[in-house]
Formats: sequence, structure tokens, C-alpha cells
Amino acid sequence: DAGVTQSPTHLIKTRGQHVTLRCSPISGHKSVSWYQQVLGQGPQFIFQYYEKEERGRGNFPDRFSARQFPNYSSELNVNALLLGDSALYLCASSFAGSEQYFGPGTRLTVT
Amino acid sequence: KQEVTQIPAALSVPEGENLVLNCSFTDSAIYNLQWFRQDPGKGLTSLLLIQSSQREQTSGRLNASLDKSSGRSTLYIAASQPGDSATYLCAVRQWDNYGQNFVFGPGTRLSVLP
Repeated sequence: DAGVTQSPTHLIKTRGQHVTLRCSPISGHKSVSWYQQVLGQGPQFIFQYYEKEERGRGNFPDRFSARQFPNYSSELNVNALLLGDSALYLCASSFAGSEQYFGPGTRLTVT
Repeated sequence: KQEVTQIPAALSVPEGENLVLNCSFTDSAIYNLQWFRQDPGKGLTSLLLIQSSQREQTSGRLNASLDKSSGRSTLYIAASQPGDSATYLCAVRQWDNYGQNFVFGPGTRLSVLP
């Protein structure tokens, strides 16, 4: 079975632009979580979705939003990009929020 | 607010040594604790998951313990190998006013020298 997949792998954007990151969970997993990892730090929790509903939210501004689709894939949207949004964005899936399995991440660079 | 710390921040050992990585958390009301490894620029690989009702979990050369009352977990790696070189992260799962929350520590960067 395929693991968690994320697209794109790398992305370069300009300040003020908008970005959409995508995640496909492991087959059978209904929960998807998003994390931001700045270089040299541990991941910071952004959102968790379960059965298409938001079940958890970290301390991030309203510029960050997400949604989960009927097939349990998910999108993370970031508006009005800032230089500080440059990071590795990680997606994790789990079966009902138990053990988490991570994707390879999307490296976002904001210039 | 939950805070997770990891000691040491970095560790360098010769091949074959047994070693212990430490994880501490400030709020003992957790649902579970999970250990991960991360290779440079890559995603996270799950190593062990300990439920709040459990004391330890083992997988191969890895053993993780959990003492919820004292807010501590340790990851024991036996007979270390150069392939174990990576950053090791612990994360706790809990609930707060916004629903579920997952809090990671900053990680321990491990180098195993041949």
C-alpha cells in the first residue's frame, strides 16, 4: 500500500501570494493532520481533520486554512504569504487519530 | 500550555554503544506519546507509540518507556549503528480548547560514528 503522499515536493512563492498544498492519506485512514516545521525545530501543529470536520487547531493565524474532501484527501491553504512561512509542511494520516504516519513533506520557500 | 523538551539536543557516540534519549512534558493529561526519527530534509518515520495507560513499548533494538505522572519518556537504543544517525523527535497527543493537539519536542540530533 502507498504511504502518505504530498504534492508538490518543492514550491517557490513570492510574498503576498497564495499557496495550496495537497495530501493524500494512507488508504483507510480518515484523519489528516498538518504541521509546519521550520529549519532546526520540531514540527508545529496546524490543523487536524477527521471525517471532513476540523477536530483540532494550533496557534496559527487565519491566513492558514484547510479542508478535507470526501475521499479523505486534504488541502492546506495559506494566504498573503510572509517570508516567515518558509518551512517544510508535513501531512500525517491516522486511523481515528491514533498512530500518525507522515508524508515526505512540501518544502515551501517564500521570497 | 503543553511544553515538550528533549535532552540532549545533540549526541555523538561510537558504533555499538547503548544510548538513552530523554523527552519531558509539562502537562501529564496526554492521550499518547509517539517517537519519530527524521532524516535531513525528509518526513518523519514512526518508531514507537505508547498509549497513556502503557509503561513501555519495544521494537527491535528500540525500547520506549513512559512515566506519565512525572512527565517523562525515554527512548533506549541498543547496540547503535551508523544507520541510526538522524534526529529523534517525541510528540504528545492531547486535547485543549480547540480540540486535539499534537505537541512535538525540538528533537535530539544523533550521530553514530563508525
